[in-house]
Amino acid sequence: QQKVQQSPESLIVPEGGMASLNCTSSDRNVDYFWWYRQHSGKSPKMLMSIFSNGEKEEGRFTVHLNKASLHTSLHIRDSQPSDSALYLCAARGGGFASALTFGSGTKVIVLP
Amino acid sequence: EAAVTQSPRNKVAVTGGKVTLSCNQTNNHNNMYWYRQDTGHGLRLIHYSYGAGSTEKGDIPDGYKASRPSQENFSLILELATPSQTSVYFCASGGTGENTGQLYFGEGSKLTVL
Repeated sequence: QQKVQQSPESLIVPEGGMASLNCTSSDRNVDYFWWYRQHSGKSPKMLMSIFSNGEKEEGRFTVHLNKASLHTSLHIRDSQPSDSALYLCAARGGGFASALTFGSGTKVIVLP
Repeated sequence: EAAVTQSPRNKVAVTGGKVTLSCNQTNNHNNMYWYRQDTGHGLRLIHYSYGAGSTEKGDIPDGYKASRPSQENFSLILELATPSQTSVYFCASGGTGENTGQLYFGEGSKLTVL
């Protein structure tokens, strides 16, 4: 069974600071990664996806992927209180027919 | 935006009772999923479906059944509910190919089994 490990479990960041979240899969068949954000009491919503080695930036959010080590990271710069949420990493292994496996998440708290 | 609707949103059931959680999507997505979310476990996949008439076991299927009678509807059935099934359940729909990972979630169903 595929495992997706996220670290840290929780993170406190000052407003305007940088938050860095990590995610690693133990399944060598994993091909794609996604990051989801879940505000308290709400449903998860997709934030970013990354399929190729390297870096992808969307606004204040940057995602890195190293396929050789099956490691992805999410970086939030200029963090805002509205970024306070649970961030979930998801991976897919075994091709298009496979369902996503989620990690247990990183809880980010941005203090004003 | 894609729409996924779950019902009921809150349910209190007794141990040994039958519970049915329903999900409807208007996205015309082939794939639908049922996850449960508990503190410290993220989202865990229970059952999923590739289309009407199909159901597949996820990572934690024991104690659950699923039914996909149509493209739009996907149900999760607990025949004999137990307190360990107290959780928040999320239904999601998603596309195929590279869009497999872009899931649209419903608002969740909070189930309490006494």
